Amino acid sequence: GAVVSQHPSWVICKSGTSVKIECRSLDFQATTMFWYRQFPKQSLMLMATSNEGSKATYEQGVEKDKFLINHASLTLSTLTVTSAHPEDSSFYICSARSGAGETQYFGPGTRLLVL
Amino acid sequence: SQQGEEDPQALSIQEGENATMNCSYKTSINNLQWYRQNSGRGLVHLILIRSNEREKHSGRLRVTLDTSKKSSSLLITASRAADTASYFCAPNSGAGSYQLTFGKGTKLSVIP
Repeated sequence: GAVVSQHPSWVICKSGTSVKIECRSLDFQATTMFWYRQFPKQSLMLMATSNEGSKATYEQGVEKDKFLINHASLTLSTLTVTSAHPEDSSFYICSARSGAGETQYFGPGTRLLVL
Repeated sequence: SQQGEEDPQALSIQEGENATMNCSYKTSINNLQWYRQNSGRGLVHLILIRSNEREKHSGRLRVTLDTSKKSSSLLITASRAADTASYFCAPNSGAGSYQLTFGKGTKLSVIP
């Protein structure tokens, strides 16, 4: 149980375009979802926390207008990288937890390359 | 949330040997979690140990917690090549939205 999927697994886009990444909890209801970014050989950096039906809380230094997060249902959260630039190229990982759960279940990640 | 600090940063062992990695943290916790990340993949939850527990087992994994020293250790017994991955600890205060902060991890290489 506790499976989280992400789509797409990898994406290449041109600079200036927007990219949407989906994160789904397949077999549980995720009251909270988290979005992380990981650069090569570095740890995961939390970008934002989203609770179903409410606005996401962004970490310091993360532009909310650039990284749009929507958590419209208990099983789906989306991250949209708007007007992507090469420096946004990274590995984006989502995680989800259920209402009473202390464990985060992670998706397999989405590798974004902006040309 | 607070970040755990894993030690060593890198560990290389032969298959069949045991691997021990440590985690230190700064403030009191509700629980501490260990995760594994295979290269280019998401994290996999391994084990959660609560602040009132001292030791916990799961298969070939043994986790200890010493709240007086604010440290935890993860032992992998009889390691396999498939255990090659980065391992992260995540101290969790349990407050708020259960945010986890990850350190640099321990990169374990198990040589066949």
